[in-house]
Amino acid sequence: DTGVSQDPRHKITKRGQNVTFRCDPISEHNRLYWYRQTLGQGPEFLTYFQNEAQLEKSRLLSDRFSAERPKGSFSTLEIQRTEQGDSAMYLCASSLGGQYYEQYFGPGTRLTVT
Amino acid sequence: AQSVTQLGSHVSVSEGALVLLRCNYSSSVPPYLFWYVQYPNQGLQLLLKYTSAATLVKGINGFEAEFKKSETSFHLTKPSAHMSDAAEYFCALKAAGNKLTFGGGTRVLVKP
Repeated sequence: DTGVSQDPRHKITKRGQNVTFRCDPISEHNRLYWYRQTLGQGPEFLTYFQNEAQLEKSRLLSDRFSAERPKGSFSTLEIQRTEQGDSAMYLCASSLGGQYYEQYFGPGTRLTVT
Repeated sequence: AQSVTQLGSHVSVSEGALVLLRCNYSSSVPPYLFWYVQYPNQGLQLLLKYTSAATLVKGINGFEAEFKKSETSFHLTKPSAHMSDAAEYFCALKAAGNKLTFGGGTRVLVKP
């Protein structure tokens, strides 16, 4: 079990550029989550997939944000026209379904928008 | 609406002393509760979980937490702090739906 992996670990971009992050969940997990964590705060929920279906999106997920999980395995999170306020740690988590509620987190992607 | 409040954004303890981190929640449905630990520039690691079985839950690294419905609390304790416990700790709630709602976190400093 290699755990949840995320790529890249760090991304520095200029305001207005597009960025894309990747998350590979634990292989047998059918649920995948994205969270955003700003400095000194707890993670905030962005969106959730069960297999390839995106079942829930937070109001935090503006129209500049899009997430996909095309084959029910890895997921991508894209931010278009980045703003300085997008600077944060983006965390991915995965879990089994049914009675197994615990979510396992990846190491995160730290985004800095200059 | 569901929410989590962690009392104290910073806690300082001496090595070998009791660690007590406070978490109170608000939920309109029976909650599932979790404690996670985060080391600098890393993701979150699950310490323990409450899923409506035993109210006293034991986790990894000597931590435990007690669910008290009457007090809407899920405080985390460790009898004897170790230098390696220095980290940030998050209490999280899963109520309706599948997302986790996190508290603001408590940073633990361990003094030698």
